Amino acid sequence: NAGVTQTPKFQVLKTGQSMTLQCAQDMNHEYMSWYRQDPGMGLRLIHYSVGAGITDQGEVPNGYNVSRSTTEDFPLRLLSAAPSQTSVYFCASRYSTGELFFGEGSRLTVL
Amino acid sequence: GENVEQHPSTLSVQEGDSAVIKCTYSDSASNYFPWYKQELGKRPQLIIDIRSNVGEKKDQRIAVTLNKTAKHFSLHITETQPEDSAVYFCAASGTGGFKTIFGAGTRLFVKA
Repeated sequence: NAGVTQTPKFQVLKTGQSMTLQCAQDMNHEYMSWYRQDPGMGLRLIHYSVGAGITDQGEVPNGYNVSRSTTEDFPLRLLSAAPSQTSVYFCASRYSTGELFFGEGSRLTVL
Repeated sequence: GENVEQHPSTLSVQEGDSAVIKCTYSDSASNYFPWYKQELGKRPQLIIDIRSNVGEKKDQRIAVTLNKTAKHFSLHITETQPEDSAVYFCAASGTGGFKTIFGAGTRLFVKA
């Protein structure tokens, strides 16, 4: 099992550019989520999904889109990047309840 | 929605001493309370968790207590070691168990 795989690990964007952070899990988890981590602010929930075709907003959804077409994949899209979106992004998955399994993180810098 | 507050933000202890980190949550329907440890440059990893039907849980040097009435839970680390130095996050799963909301984190320093 690879667990939760995120790509890319590092990315630099210019303001206004778009990009997609990829997340895939091979544990057949129903629940997948995206968090951003900023110094002193912990892990803040962006969007989450409880199954294919079902997504919902978390604490800080503005500026981000998600979709869940398969159980395995949960991409996070930035349509028009802003410097405020500079952060470390973590994808995480789990069964219906219990332990969250995190990816290694993606460090995004928006200039 | 759920809100989780965590204190202190930084904690420095001497090796061998105990460390206590406290969290409060707002959603009385929350029923699952995990704690994660994040070492520098690494992903968060679960170290212990507790469900709302249990008041205390222990795993070697780590214990977690839960007070549902007061809506707070705490992490206790005894006999701290330098390798315990990391950032610790508490979290709570709110209504329906779908969202896992994290506290802001506590940076623990264990001085040798």
